[in-house]
Amino acid sequence: EAGVAQSPRYKIIEKRQSVAFWCNPISGHATLYWYQQILGQGPKLLIQFQNNGVVDDSQLPKDRFSAERLKGVDSTLKIQPAKLEDSAVYLCASSLDKKTGELFFGEGSRLTVL
Amino acid sequence: GNSVTQMEGPVTLSEEAFLTINCTYTATGYPSLFWYVQYPGEGLQLLLKATKADDKGSNKGFEATYRKETTSFHLEKGSVQVSDSAVYFCALTLMYSGGGADGLTFGKGTHLIIQP
Repeated sequence: EAGVAQSPRYKIIEKRQSVAFWCNPISGHATLYWYQQILGQGPKLLIQFQNNGVVDDSQLPKDRFSAERLKGVDSTLKIQPAKLEDSAVYLCASSLDKKTGELFFGEGSRLTVL
Repeated sequence: GNSVTQMEGPVTLSEEAFLTINCTYTATGYPSLFWYVQYPGEGLQLLLKATKADDKGSNKGFEATYRKETTSFHLEKGSVQVSDSAVYFCALTLMYSGGGADGLTFGKGTHLIIQP
């Protein structure tokens, strides 16, 4: 079974530029999550989708971050404009059964903002 | 709000030593508890879980018991190996009576280093 796919793996941009990350969850997984992991910290939930609807985006900085999952499968996370403090690994995860809380994570996209 | 606190690392042990990584939590309601592990160069993966008080999760020789009275979920292993070197994250989620769950709330992670 293929895992959660993310791209790009690494991205370096200058502050005020924009960047987009892509995630393809495990086939059949209805729930998709984006997490931000800053160096030395645990992952922090940015947004949770159930199919193509947003369940929780309370911690998403909506002035600069946006995410969509138009067809209920792939998802993109965009940052525009980027700030230095956005340097982090962006993790995508998916889950099959929303009742268990068990998540499957991709390898992450590492963003460096200069 | 919900939060998870784990012991800070790095934790350095010799092979075959006994391991304990402490984890305590604060939650509104009755959470499910998890340990996730991140091996070098790999994504986070579930190690074990417990969904109610006094449950014991176990996998790959690791164990953790859900202690409601002390709000803890400490990770233990009797004899660690070099291959256990990784970052370990304690996490929780709140389950709803109607089905569904919040996204996971993670601790900061504990870097474990096992020396031969």
